[in-house]
Amino acid sequence: SQKIEQNSEALNIQEGKTATLTCNYTNYSPAYLQWYRQDPGRGPVFLLLIRENEKEKRKERLKVTFDTTLKQSLFHITASQPADSATYLCALINNNDMRFGAGTRLTVKP
Amino acid sequence: DGGITQSPKYLFRKEGQNVTLSCEQNLNHDAMYWYRQDPGQGLRLIYYSQIVNDFQKGDIAEGYSVSREKKESFPLTVTSAQKNPTAFYLCASSVAITGGAETSGYTFGSGTRLTVV
Repeated sequence: SQKIEQNSEALNIQEGKTATLTCNYTNYSPAYLQWYRQDPGRGPVFLLLIRENEKEKRKERLKVTFDTTLKQSLFHITASQPADSATYLCALINNNDMRFGAGTRLTVKP
Repeated sequence: DGGITQSPKYLFRKEGQNVTLSCEQNLNHDAMYWYRQDPGQGLRLIYYSQIVNDFQKGDIAEGYSVSREKKESFPLTVTSAQKNPTAFYLCASSVAITGGAETSGYTFGSGTRLTVV
C-alpha cells in the first residue's frame, strides 16, 4: 500500500541553523510534490512545489529537492528563525490523487 | 480579500446527532475538498467535488455526506453513523483538479474542531 513518511514527528534546532525535513514515500509515483506549512489550529498553507523532472527548487530561504530514485524529498529552511516554527507537510500528487504526510513539527529556538 | 471560510471553529456533538460543518469560498475555485486530520496521521480525504451538483467519495466517506448546490459552498454533514467523529476537519479549494491544482496547490480554511460529548 502507499506510504508517506516524514522523518520525525518533531525537530528542534537553534535559530540561524538550517532545518532539514524529510519526506519518504513507497508504492507511489508522484508527478508533483508539494510542501505546506501548518500553524496550530489553522489550515495548511501552500509553500512550493517541485515536479518529478526537477531536482531542486528554491524560494527565498526555502529549498526543496526531489529524488525519484531514492523516493525522497528534502525540505530545507536556511537561516531559520523562531517564526519558522510550525508543522510542515509534504503532499504527493499523481493524476487526480493527492496524498499528505503526517507532518514534522519544527521548533526553532532563539 | 479572497479566501475560504469554515464555521464554526469549535463544534460539540452528542451521541446520535447529525451535525453540519460549513465551508464557503470566494476564490472562484472549481474544486472543493473535505479532509479529516487526526494526531500523527496525514490528512485523509473524505469527499471532493470538481463541479456544482457533483461530488465523489474519498478514502473515508463512510458516515459523512456532502452537497454542492453552489460553486461557493460545500457543507459537510457528520452523521450518527460516523462512530469516531472527534477530529479536526479541513475544507480546501483549488482550481481544476487536473491541470491546475498540481502547480497552484490547495487553499485551506482554518478548520473546525469537532468533539463528541
